[in-house]
Amino acid sequence: DAKTTQPPSMDCAEGRAANLPCNHSTISGNEYVYWYRQIHSQGPQYIIHGLKNNETNEMASLIITEDRKSSTLILPHATLRDTAVYYCIVRSSNSGNTPLVFGKGTRLSVIA
Amino acid sequence: EAQVTQNPRYLITVTGKKLTVTCSQNMNHEYMSWYRQDPGLGLRQIYYSMNVEVTDKGDVPEGYKVSRKEKRNFPLILESPSPNQTSLYFCASSLEFISSPLHFGNGTRLTVT
Repeated sequence: DAKTTQPPSMDCAEGRAANLPCNHSTISGNEYVYWYRQIHSQGPQYIIHGLKNNETNEMASLIITEDRKSSTLILPHATLRDTAVYYCIVRSSNSGNTPLVFGKGTRLSVIA
Repeated sequence: EAQVTQNPRYLITVTGKKLTVTCSQNMNHEYMSWYRQDPGLGLRQIYYSMNVEVTDKGDVPEGYKVSRKEKRNFPLILESPSPNQTSLYFCASSLEFISSPLHFGNGTRLTVT
């Protein structure tokens, strides 16, 4: 699975959009981009994933650049409850059971 | 509600006293897995199961056992716990093992003294 790079921390004002970047310059054609988050010491929570096209669900939007070397997770109206560590992971259907490598992620602090 | 349920949430025990952490999912998922999370080391996979009666080792299986006798349950067994197994444990499941998103339980914080 390709390696990802994320900023260690970010702040966002409550009610504003939170844009979390992820660099995955070595991504291959069959690798998906997944986003999870972990609030305090709770279990990681799946947010969204995509391959090439931008994706949106009830939690967030995922914007993947045309060359697929980077992506941005957008929380459109951040709330205090969105304060968490956000993990960007790339994974292919050929990964078999190679464990998900969560890395250090981005610690997002939503400020009132 | 679709969920992965772990029990107990907190457990303090002594070295050598056998314990079991239970994990159950109600989503008819084929794939289940156990992770441990330690400061600075992130999440590491202990064991996984692709289906009933099929289990295999992850990255850090030493000192742990698992079983998958039925699809919904995947207990983690520590036959003789040691202090280095003090950690935060997560069970996870997914529809199938290749690329479906993982659903995690809320964790079990284990302290072995």
